Amino acid sequence: TQLLEQSPQFLSIQEGENLTVYCNSSSVFSSLQWYRQEPGEGPVLLVTVVTGGEVKKLKRLTFQFGDARKDSSLHITAAQPGDTGLYLCAGVGQPTDSNYQLIWGAGTKLIIKP
Amino acid sequence: DSGVTQTPKHLITATGQRVTLRCSPRSGDLSVYWYQQSLDQGLQFLIQYYNGEERAKGNILERFSAQQFPDLHSELNLSSLELGDSALYFCASSVGGRGGETQYFGPGTRLLVL
Repeated sequence: TQLLEQSPQFLSIQEGENLTVYCNSSSVFSSLQWYRQEPGEGPVLLVTVVTGGEVKKLKRLTFQFGDARKDSSLHITAAQPGDTGLYLCAGVGQPTDSNYQLIWGAGTKLIIKP
Repeated sequence: DSGVTQTPKHLITATGQRVTLRCSPRSGDLSVYWYQQSLDQGLQFLIQYYNGEERAKGNILERFSAQQFPDLHSELNLSSLELGDSALYFCASSVGGRGGETQYFGPGTRLLVL
């Protein structure tokens, strides 16, 4: 069974600080997606990383896919209150898997205090 | 706005009752996914339908059932409701049938069982 572990589960920091959220697995994924969910809304896709070692930037957010495609990280620079939300990672299994589904992490709840 | 609609937005009912949640996917999307999210928790995948057929099953209770109609809208039926079924229920859609595709989420239905 493929599992994705996210850490930390909860993070509360002051505006302007930096933070990193991790998504780890013992399984290899063909790609990995990061979603953000704001209170009262559904998750929204932020980015998909596909290649081992890939780095993608979205303004102050930097996403990295591990070389072995088993882990990923999300780094936020100078966090803003608008970054508050639940961050979810979801791994895409191998195309040869019989159950080719997204494997979801449990999420990191992030609160940025003004 | 993801293009995915869900009704109702809120639902309050009593234990033992049965409810139906409705989802309309984005125009052109053939897959519909149902998820359950308890308070401050990650997403629990329940079931996926693709073009009217069940494609994948997750942690869906036997008291729960779903279907996708010819016009591609989907309904999730929850019966013999228990207090623990109180949660946010999300519907998502994607273009094809492969679970690893980008999923677009609706705003969710908040179910409260009293």
